Parts: sequence; structure tokens; C-alpha cells
Amino acid sequence: AQSVTQLDSHVSVSEGTPVLLRCNYSSSYSPSLFWYVQHPNKGLQLLLKYTSAATLVKGINGFEAEFKKSETSFHLTKPSAHMSDAAEYFCVVRLTDSWGKLQFGAGTQVVVTP
Amino acid sequence: GAVVSQHPSRVICKSGTSVKIECRSLDFQATTMFWYRQFPKQSLMLMATSNEGSKATYEQGVEKDKFLINHASLTLSTLTVTSAHPEDSSFYICSASQGQGYEQYFGPGTRLTVT
Repeated sequence: AQSVTQLDSHVSVSEGTPVLLRCNYSSSYSPSLFWYVQHPNKGLQLLLKYTSAATLVKGINGFEAEFKKSETSFHLTKPSAHMSDAAEYFCVVRLTDSWGKLQFGAGTQVVVTP
Repeated sequence: GAVVSQHPSRVICKSGTSVKIECRSLDFQATTMFWYRQFPKQSLMLMATSNEGSKATYEQGVEKDKFLINHASLTLSTLTVTSAHPEDSSFYICSASQGQGYEQYFGPGTRLTVT
């Protein structure tokens, strides 16, 4: 079975400092992994995706993630947090079923303090 | 980029009534659409998967007679919450895809409140 585990339910950072959101995956196959962001009462926005190409994936708004097979991890990072980064972040794996269903992690709430 | 809309964005209804939520792909043909439910401060839970012209496939524990899904065209899917009760109050999000292996594009969500 495929799944993702987000290791932190809540992360608090100061504006201008690095952000690290941790995600481990479980998959028998080479997974397709995604990071989505959700601002309060809003829909989901795709930050970046890994689909077996380059292991270092660059996304929007300065975010990037590195796929590490040896560690079964896909952590999301940003060098310098901005107040607008305060949101909920979801690590997601695409299942290898016939429809390409997505399995969401539990989410990480990011708080950015001035 | 691909755009998915949902209507309404927010709805309040009385207990026992039915509510219909629409999900539209605006600039692409969506062979497959997905419906998710999200409780406050929780993750998204997949409710069902629908392919155009076929019956929806529901996830375990989701009542198909309560959550009616119709995917009659390649650009429109609807979710009808029948005989709604307060416990059905939630944020419902749809996504659309051109098929397996293609990216899912998410709608902005619909906030349902049942009084």
C-alpha cells in the first residue's frame, strides 16, 4: 500500500528564516509525490511535484523538495519564510490504481511570526 | 492553466433538505472527477471517483445513497447531499483530471452548513 506521513502537525517559524516540512512516503513502486498548500477556507494549490525525473524539484513561491529514495522522504523547504506562507501544507502520493487517486497526508500547519 | 470551478462556494440549508454542488472543468475535458470531504483542521478524505458516463465508485464508508454523484459530461460533475443533517456540514472539494497519469486540478471548495 502507498501512503505518506507528515512528521509535524504544526510548524512555527519566524519571518525570514528557513522552513522545513517533513514527509516520508511508503510505496512499493517509484511514487509520484506532490506538495499542496491550502490557505484558510480556500482550495488547494499545487506547489510542486515529483514524477521520477530530477530528484530536486523546484516549485512555486520559492519552495523546493528533494526526493530521497534511501530515506523514503520528500521534505519541503524554503530558504526564507514570508508571512504569506502561513497555511496548511499537504504531502500527497498518487496511487497506482486505474484512476490515479491521491492519498493525502494529515497536513502541517505553518505559522509565521514577524 | 487548467481551471476547475465549484458552485456554490458556500451554502446553508435546513436539516432534511438536499443540496447540489457543481464542479466544472472550464478549459479542459475531465474524464475523471474526484470528490473530497474535509472536516475542520483535518486532511482531505476521498469520497468517490467518477468517470464520465459511468457510475461513481465510492470509498469505503461513504454512503452512495446519501451522496449522489453524477458525471454526465466531460466538464461537469455534481454532488448531491440528500436529506442533509448537521453532521454533513463540511468543506467539499472536487478535482478533475484528464485521466490516469494526468494531474488533478482542484476546485476552490464548497462550505456546506446544515442547520
